Amino acid sequence: GQQLNQSPQSMFIQEGEDVSMNCTSSSIFNTWLWYKQDPGEGPVLLIALYKAGELTSNGRLTAQFGITRKDSFLNISASIPSDVGIYFCAGQDEAGKGGAQKLVFGQGTRLTINP
Amino acid sequence: GAVVSQHPSRVICKSGTSVKIECRSLDFQATTMFWYRQFPKQSLMLMATSNEGSKATYEQGVEKDKFLINHASLTLSTLTVTSAHPEDSSFYICSATGVLSDTQYFGPGTRLTVL
Repeated sequence: GQQLNQSPQSMFIQEGEDVSMNCTSSSIFNTWLWYKQDPGEGPVLLIALYKAGELTSNGRLTAQFGITRKDSFLNISASIPSDVGIYFCAGQDEAGKGGAQKLVFGQGTRLTINP
Repeated sequence: GAVVSQHPSRVICKSGTSVKIECRSLDFQATTMFWYRQFPKQSLMLMATSNEGSKATYEQGVEKDKFLINHASLTLSTLTVTSAHPEDSSFYICSATGVLSDTQYFGPGTRLTVL
């Protein structure tokens, strides 16, 4: 089925460094979302993007919805230890007949921070 | 707001038995609930979509007779893994969307181990 290409798969950085990750797709999505998942937990929504070209910030996080609607990036500035986890991008299609809007997830970026 | 809970958080069962996992939206009415499966170090894979009062729609390759989904109310959906086998061991996560928003909010997940 559909899949997003998310990169990098893993990152090892020093505390205080900035982080950048991105997702690309061969398909157009109407919405791009970024989630963070801690071990043994469900994903938590970080940022939702609804319009092509949209740039949205949430604290130290900034994400953009690509103008072609086929890509998105997430930046984290001045990383701190609690940023450790797995970050997933997700694309959301238009609602189907049943009103459900499926999500398609990227493979995830595992972020490790050295103090 | 938008809190989703799952019960149990962990379950261990013998091969051949059935296991029921509950997903509840605590502070909103969930018109649509989604069930995902996540294997170690992999992304979330959508299993099925359920709308309240309707039969669930299963993704290709997911056996509907093995993974029974019931969405009897606007706050509760259940996933029953029937005749579980060790290969069904995984992390099962539900999500829900409400009337006012298409954003999916995820539960904390249920770790199923089949011996």
